[in-house]
Amino acid sequence: GQQVMQIPQYQHVQEGEDFTTYCNSSTTLSNIQWYKQRPGGHPVFLIQLVKSGEVKKQKRLTFQFGEAKKNSSLHITATQTTDVGTYFCAGGLINAGNNRKLIWGLGTSLAVNP
Amino acid sequence: EPEVTQTPSHQVTQMGQEVILRCVPISNHLYFYWYRQILGQKVEFLVSFYNNEISEKSEIFDDQFSVERPDGSNFTLKIRSTKLEDSAMYFCASRETGLLGYFGPGTRLTVT
Repeated sequence: GQQVMQIPQYQHVQEGEDFTTYCNSSTTLSNIQWYKQRPGGHPVFLIQLVKSGEVKKQKRLTFQFGEAKKNSSLHITATQTTDVGTYFCAGGLINAGNNRKLIWGLGTSLAVNP
Repeated sequence: EPEVTQTPSHQVTQMGQEVILRCVPISNHLYFYWYRQILGQKVEFLVSFYNNEISEKSEIFDDQFSVERPDGSNFTLKIRSTKLEDSAMYFCASRETGLLGYFGPGTRLTVT
């Protein structure tokens, strides 16, 4: 079936170090979304990428969508303790019946040591 | 800012009992979803709902599950006979027409 693989599953960094999480889809996506979930919280939307090769930045966060629209990455520069949480990618699919759904990755849990 | 709300925040039930989880989507949204997240695991799609009917459902969404939009504001998920493995956070989400979904805060279901 359709899957979105996300790596790594866990990452511990020292505050100030960079962090990257990667998503790979088994199928071409119509878009990809990134969410952040703080411990005990719910997924909060960060960004959506739609175009092939798209790159978007939000302060220290850089999001990329691959040329083939099958992979994506989230890079955080100079992590801070407020970056702690689980980062999920979710690939958007539109099926033959024009129904839309998101296929979620497993998430990458980020721990930041002060 | 409009938001999706869910009640209750935590539901404890005994195995075999029926539970109804409630969601109030954002008022002008047209598409509604239920997802679940078993503790420490990924978010899993359960079902999508549009125009008063299910538009898609996953393998998880078997005959024990049903959804309803009983009035113009509520969207409910019913689990008829809960099992231990139904223990999870259940998230409701809604969207207008694009692919951007807004999640509710979730209901933690604990089946004992």
